[in-house]
Amino acid sequence: DAGVIQSPRHEVTEMGQEVTLRCKPISGHDYLFWYRQTMMRGLELLIYFNNNVPIDDSGMPEDRFSAKMPNASFSTLKIQPSEPRDSAVYFCASSIQNTIYFGEGSWLTVV
Amino acid sequence: GENVEQHPSTLSVQEGDSAVIKCTYSDSASNYFPWYKQELGKRPQLIIDIRSNVGEKKDQRIAVTLNKTAKHFSLHITETQPEDSAVYFCAASINGNKLVFGAGTILRVKS
Repeated sequence: DAGVIQSPRHEVTEMGQEVTLRCKPISGHDYLFWYRQTMMRGLELLIYFNNNVPIDDSGMPEDRFSAKMPNASFSTLKIQPSEPRDSAVYFCASSIQNTIYFGEGSWLTVV
Repeated sequence: GENVEQHPSTLSVQEGDSAVIKCTYSDSASNYFPWYKQELGKRPQLIIDIRSNVGEKKDQRIAVTLNKTAKHFSLHITETQPEDSAVYFCAASINGNKLVFGAGTILRVKS
């Protein structure tokens, strides 16, 4: 299995632009998670899905952030409009039977 | 909600020595405690995990202990090697969902 696949791996965008991060979970996994990692705040859970249904989005920082999972093999995390403080590494992860596997991350820089 | 504290924040050991990282958690309902290793610029990777029905688990040079009464768990690395140098994160969750991570420990193994 190729593991959790994320795209883009790196993105530099200007403040105010829309950013869309994409994730393909490991086939057969029934949970999908979006995490954000920064030096100041560490690894934070933003939202997670079970069988494509959002279960807990309490970690989503504000209305500028949204996430969808239209099917079992695809999820997006969207930031609109982006701000410099959104600069971070965004990890998608998936799990089955409690073991969580992370993707390589999307490195976002908002200038 | 769950809160996980991790100590120390940095740890420097001589090659061949042991390293111990400790974590405490707040939610007595948490029953799954994984440890992740993250190398610079890479994703967190699961190295070992323990569930609340077990007090200790070992895998070659790494071991994890859990004290449910005191709500703390520890990672032990024996015979450390330079390639063990990385950031280590502990985490806690209920049934593997909504992992809450500690702040991380930077381990440096000096050769």
